[in-house]
Amino acid sequence: GAVVSQHPSRVICKSGTSVKIECRSLDFQATTMFWYRQFPKQSLMLMATSNEGSKATYEQGVEKDKFLINHASLTLSTLTVTSAHPEDSSFYICSARDWRIDTSYGYTFGSGTRLTVV
Amino acid sequence: QKEVEQDPGPLSVPEGAIVSLNCTYSNSAFQYFMWYRQYSRKGPELLMYTYSSGNKEDGRFTAQVDKSSKYISLFIRDSQPSDSATYLCAMSASGGGNKLTFGTGTQLKVEL
Repeated sequence: GAVVSQHPSRVICKSGTSVKIECRSLDFQATTMFWYRQFPKQSLMLMATSNEGSKATYEQGVEKDKFLINHASLTLSTLTVTSAHPEDSSFYICSARDWRIDTSYGYTFGSGTRLTVV
Repeated sequence: QKEVEQDPGPLSVPEGAIVSLNCTYSNSAFQYFMWYRQYSRKGPELLMYTYSSGNKEDGRFTAQVDKSSKYISLFIRDSQPSDSATYLCAMSASGGGNKLTFGTGTQLKVEL
């Protein structure tokens, strides 16, 4: 089946620094990837839709300049949290569409990245 | 009002019990309905999916959708400790890459 690899699984950074999270589709090409944020005991909130070769589409309320998304190839999307602050501490998860699977349900999720800003 | 409502639990049941998990929604445009299972500190994995109204069964799991009531359910029969996880419902208005809207998730614990 489709596999999405997300790295790192856990990162601790100092306030004011930037952190890059990678999301890779290992055995399929993903023209579209999604980035979510999840707070404890809360739902996954879509942050942005990442499109290969074009700009990401951000959800309302998500700061584009703070959460930089790059989807430079069909298998890799990156999320960079710039000038991180403690309130950015969260669980970030990516997902990708595998068009080989039924188009309505072919979402595969990465294992998530636990970001802690100190 | 949230588009998707889900009781966060926690729900604790004995091994072998039948578990019923539910979501309600307000957007009548939703047509695709999914249930994901998420273990602690992991990404969600797709468990069941259905289109429009009806039932779908897969082993110990049954998904039901009642669009007239805007209500979906996931039943787990003969629950096992390994079923202990958070279960998230998700839905979308149409296929083709449309974004998913998730419920908050129900935390389930199956005890020996």
